[in-house]
Amino acid sequence: DAGVIQSPRHEVTEMGQEVTLRCKPISGHNSLFWYRQTMMRGLELLIYFNNNVPIDDSGMPEDRFSAKMPNASFSTLKIQPSEPRDSAVYFCASRARGWGETQYFGPGTRLLVL
Amino acid sequence: AQSVTQLDSQVPVFEEAPVELRCNYSSSVSVYLFWYVQYPNQGLQLLLKYLSGSTLVESINGFEAEFNKSQTSFHLRKPSVHISDTAEYFCAVSGDDYKLSFGAGTTVTVRA
Repeated sequence: DAGVIQSPRHEVTEMGQEVTLRCKPISGHNSLFWYRQTMMRGLELLIYFNNNVPIDDSGMPEDRFSAKMPNASFSTLKIQPSEPRDSAVYFCASRARGWGETQYFGPGTRLLVL
Repeated sequence: AQSVTQLDSQVPVFEEAPVELRCNYSSSVSVYLFWYVQYPNQGLQLLLKYLSGSTLVESINGFEAEFNKSQTSFHLRKPSVHISDTAEYFCAVSGDDYKLSFGAGTTVTVRA
């Protein structure tokens, strides 16, 4: 299995631009999670989906952030407009159905907003 | 809601020495406990997990952790570390909603 795939791996953009991060979960997994990692705040859960439906988006920092999961094999996290404080590593993780199943993380997208 | 405290942010250790990474959690409900490892510029990988049953769980590369309900702890240990164990280690807890709450992480630096 290819594991969780994220693209791009690195993104450098200017303040005010739109940024779209992409994630392909492991085939057969029915839950998908978006995390943000920074030195100051550590790992934060932004949003998670179950069967393509957003279940909890309480971690999304503000309206500039949005996430979609149009089908079981694809999800996006969009920031519009981006700000320097959004600079972080964004991870996507997926999980199979079932009690005690493990979350598998992608390699992350390193975002730098100038 | 659950929360996790990792008591050590940095742990320097010499090769072949033992290491212990401390993790305490707070939760009012049944919990599942995890240790993840993050190597430089990589995503997180599961090291081991406790769901139920034996309170001592082991990984394939020599790490072990013990769930202590009375002390609400899930400390990670390895009796003899290698240079390749240099990484950041995260303790995490989840409840029945399967959301993971992570600790702040412990950076382990193994020196020859």
